[in-house]
Amino acid sequence: EVRLVESGGGLVQPGRSLRLSCAASGFTFDDYAMHWVRQAPGKGLEWVSGISWNGGTMGYADTVKGRFTISRDKASNSLYLEVNSLRPEDTAVYYCVKVEGYLGGYFDNWGQGALVTVSS
Amino acid sequence: EILMTQSPATLSVSPGERATLSCRASQSISNNLAWYQQKPGQAPRLLIHGASTRATGISARFSGSGSGTEFTLTINSLQSEDFAVYYCQQYTNWPPRFAFGPGTKVEIK
Repeated sequence: EVRLVESGGGLVQPGRSLRLSCAASGFTFDDYAMHWVRQAPGKGLEWVSGISWNGGTMGYADTVKGRFTISRDKASNSLYLEVNSLRPEDTAVYYCVKVEGYLGGYFDNWGQGALVTVSS
Repeated sequence: EILMTQSPATLSVSPGERATLSCRASQSISNNLAWYQQKPGQAPRLLIHGASTRATGISARFSGSGSGTEFTLTINSLQSEDFAVYYCQQYTNWPPRFAFGPGTKVEIK
C-alpha cells in the first residue's frame, strides 16, 4: 500500500522559512516523479512544484518560483519542499503527491496534507 | 499556457440521479486528463485518468469521456458518498502550471 506522510507544517511569520517533508513507502520511490500540490482555505487545488524520478528536472509554479525548492532523497525515500520568504497567500494545506510517470502525469496517490499558516 | 475550466460551478442533484460534469481545456490536451474527487477535510482521490480509465477501486458508476478540449465526467445513480467537489487536471505540458480546473461542487438537491 502506498503511503505518503507529510510533516513540517505549522504557523510561521511572514518572511520566514520552513521545510516540508514527505515520507514515502509502499512503492519504489526512485521510479516515480513526485510533486507538491496546495490548497488554500476554501479554494481549489494549485500545483506548486514537481521533481522527476531521478531528481534531474524540477519545475515550479510562477507564484513560488525563486522562493521554494523541491528535492528528494532516495536513501530515505523522502520528498522535501524548502519554502522561503513566506507570504500570507502561501497559507494552505500542502499535499505530497506521487505521479504515475517519470516527470509529469496524473496524481495517483496523495498524502493527508500539511497545513502551513503564514501570519504575524 | 493551457487553462482549464469546469462547469457548472455547483450542481444540485437528487440521490439516484445522474450528474454530468464538464471540463474544457484552452487547447488540445489529447486524452491527458484526470478527474479527482475531494470530500471535506480529505485529500483528493484519483477517479479517472487518460480521460476515461477508472482508477483502481473506483466504482463503475463513474465514467469519463472526451478528448482534445472537451471532457465529461458522468456519475450514475448518485449515492450519498458521491456528494463532493470534483476537479479535472491536465497533464500534457511541463511544468504543469494551471493544471487544475476550478472544480465542480456536487450537492444534494
